[in-house]
Amino acid sequence: DQQVKQNSPSLSVQEGRISILNCDYTNSMFDYFLWYKKYPAEGPTFLISISSIKDKNEDGRFTVFLNKSAKHLSLHIVPSQPGDSAVYFCAASADDKIIFGKGTRLHILP
Amino acid sequence: DGGITQSPKYLFRKEGQNVTLSCEQNLNHDAMYWYRQDPGQGLRLIYYSQIVNDFQKGDIAEGYSVSREKKESFPLTVTSAQKNPTAFYLCASSIFVGASSYEQYFGPGTRLTVT
Repeated sequence: DQQVKQNSPSLSVQEGRISILNCDYTNSMFDYFLWYKKYPAEGPTFLISISSIKDKNEDGRFTVFLNKSAKHLSLHIVPSQPGDSAVYFCAASADDKIIFGKGTRLHILP
Repeated sequence: DGGITQSPKYLFRKEGQNVTLSCEQNLNHDAMYWYRQDPGQGLRLIYYSQIVNDFQKGDIAEGYSVSREKKESFPLTVTSAQKNPTAFYLCASSIFVGASSYEQYFGPGTRLTVT
């Protein structure tokens, strides 16, 4: 039973446009959400997070939106750049564990 | 420079041999974790440890063992009982950021190939 779901295995976006990555969760006890970026053969790197008391957090080109009633969060990247091509993992924090989604591979097209 | 180190980057073993993957952190984090990544499977939790001399099984602990004798170190042994050991292994440590929330930081990973 997946508690954190990323339903799109891959996404292709033109360079300069907005990339929107989506994530759904089922456990209403989650109160902290994170996005990680991962290049092949490297460890994931922390990108941005949001607490459940907020509905938006922005850091440069990256913005995370949280809709608690829908149990949905999204990561917006604008403008998209070639170096953004990677796998993005959505994660939710519960006690001392972090539950990860299966990831979405983002391709930035020239 | 604080961080998490995993060595080696690539590891090759013959089937039937046990192998130990190293993970060291100098971030002074209490909790450490081991994940494996397989294509299309995301990150699956093998074992985690909240404090020294204590650890718990994750979702796929069978065929693996760990120890946590020091705060900085959390080695993972892949035993011959693990049926499909070839994978990319990631170690992480976490910091408490308030309430019940943690942020995890990952090492660079070890690619284990068993033939």
